[in-house]
Amino acid sequence: DVKVTQSSRYLVKRTGEKVFLECVQDMDHENMFWYRQDPGLGLRLIYFSYDVKMKEKGDIPEGYSVSREKKERFSLILESASTNQTSMYLCASTIGETQYFGPGTRLLVL
Amino acid sequence: EDQVTQSPEALRLQEGESSSLNCSYTVSGLRGLFWYRQDPGKGPEFLFTLYSAGEEKEKERLKATLTKKESFLHITAPKPEDSATYLCAVRASLGGGGADGLTFGKGTHLIIQP
Repeated sequence: DVKVTQSSRYLVKRTGEKVFLECVQDMDHENMFWYRQDPGLGLRLIYFSYDVKMKEKGDIPEGYSVSREKKERFSLILESASTNQTSMYLCASTIGETQYFGPGTRLLVL
Repeated sequence: EDQVTQSPEALRLQEGESSSLNCSYTVSGLRGLFWYRQDPGKGPEFLFTLYSAGEEKEKERLKATLTKKESFLHITAPKPEDSATYLCAVRASLGGGGADGLTFGKGTHLIIQP
């Protein structure tokens, strides 16, 4: 069974805080992805990674950074959280051409 | 720029009433078209991958088909538990913006009434 886990289901943070979202996969996948999902806008790609210490910008990287120190773990970092980063964050990893998603983290920035 | 458009945005059916969801796409070199199901507050659950025009995949009451411009998700005799948002996504050839990520449509919100 494909297993992608995310560290939190719900998070509430204050404006200006540094926020870490963690994603772990146990399938030795090389490719991992971070998306955000907003009503009316759908899923949009923030960052992705092909391998350890590798990262590529997606379509909306502004205000975010990522870290991949180990193959199984891909972290999304909000350096200084803002209210417009309130969203559902989804992590995915790839088997062949297919991406499998984690359960999501719903982040509220006050 | 890759684009995916899903229609209708929302669809309400009676239990047992078959229908189809549409996904039209514009992409420079299709590497795959994907269908996902998403329940409220959860991550998307993978359903199908289609690679070339004419291909079909089936799973229980769902059948996905692909042409050069669009894909259909046919739902036969649906049950209330089929209620969900169905997402379509494409993966384009490497080199485009957001290279290896998926481009998603906004989804079709399907409600099956008992």
